[in-house]
This record gives sequence, structure tokens and C-alpha cells, in this order.
Amino acid sequence: NAGVTQTPKFRILKIGQSMTLQCTQDMNHNYMYWYRQDPGMGLKLIYYSVGAGITDKGEVPNGYNVSRSTTEDFPLRLELAAPSQTSVYFCASRQQAGNTIYFGEGSWLTVV
Amino acid sequence: AQSVSQHNHHVILSEAASLELGCNYSYGGTVNLFWYVQYPGQHLQLLLKYFSGDPLVKGIKGFEAEFIKSKFSFNLRKPSVQWSDTAEYFCAVDSGGGADGLTFGKGTHLIIQP
Repeated sequence: NAGVTQTPKFRILKIGQSMTLQCTQDMNHNYMYWYRQDPGMGLKLIYYSVGAGITDKGEVPNGYNVSRSTTEDFPLRLELAAPSQTSVYFCASRQQAGNTIYFGEGSWLTVV
Repeated sequence: AQSVSQHNHHVILSEAASLELGCNYSYGGTVNLFWYVQYPGQHLQLLLKYFSGDPLVKGIKGFEAEFIKSKFSFNLRKPSVQWSDTAEYFCAVDSGGGADGLTFGKGTHLIIQP
């Protein structure tokens, strides 16, 4: 059972570099999410999508972009990495609003 | 906007002690409530959830939680903790009709001493 798969698991970036965190789910879920987790702060929503071609900003979208060209994939793009983006990133999905959300294993990103 | 408050950021208990982690939320409408657990270095896993019906819900690994609507609370309990329960615990609320995911509390870091 693959569920929600994120890559890479660990990455170190230099300030100003760009990268894409990949996320794919094989549960045919409509809704997908990107959260970031910082120590003592819980999880904050970056972006979400309710279906292919539809994306929307969450609580902390600045510095990030997303796309949803297929139901399965929801990549998160960092264009100009900054130290404030050092965090653990979690992709998640669910079938519809109100259902249980399933999380990927996380991507640890350090910007130096 | 909804918010979630977890009362304790750090809790240290000895094995076999009883556990209660507090969670309060602010939202006046229908809510779905969740407790997730994150073991060291791992992703979030669902412990239990409340959507409707019996306000006392049982989850995995002997955990349970009680939804008290009048107090806007959803406290997590376990009668006897084990060393393997050392983890971070997150309470989360979903307004049900909203598409924008869960609102999480800041988490409680639980350490169980052998």
C-alpha cells in the first residue's frame, strides 16, 4: 500500500536555489494538501487542491507555488529558497472534505 | 476561523501512569475532530477521530478521547502508558464542510520514562 509518497526525504539547499518537492497519491483522492511543520508550531497549511486544475492558498503560501495537473500528483515548488523555509514538509490527501486525511512520510528541507 | 489549543506542550510520565492530554477548539458549527501521533522521525498517523454519534471514541493502541460539545473539548486519554508511547501528539479540527484541510494544535511532546 503506497498511499501518499513524497520525494526527496532529505535535501539541503543554498539560499536562492529552487527545487520541487514531489508528492503523489494512489488512492484516487480528490483533495491534496501541503503542510509545513516547525518545532513547537504544529502544522501550517501552505497550499491545497480540491481536484485537478484547482489550487488555493493556505495559511502560509508565500515563497511557494503548486500545480495539480493530474489527480495523483501535487508538486510543491520553492523558487528562491530562504532560511525561513527550513522545515519539514508533509503532503497529504483525502477523498473529500470531512474525511480522514492521510499523510506522506515528510521531506526534511534545510536552507543554508 | 477555527483554532485549536493544546494545553500542555511537554508532558513527562512514568510507565503505567495514566495520561490525559487536553484539546480545546474554537468553532461554532459542526466539527470533525482528530488526534494524530508522530513518533520520532516519522510521519503523522491517525490515532482516532470523531465525526458523530457516541462522544467517547476509541482508537488504536489503547487510546480514547471524549468529545464534550459544551466545553469545545476533545481530550485524549490512556489508562496506562508505555515507553513506546513517547511521541508528539496533535489535536486537529475540521469544519466538515470546508475543503481547506485540518487546523492543528501546536502539539504535545510526550516522554515516557521507563
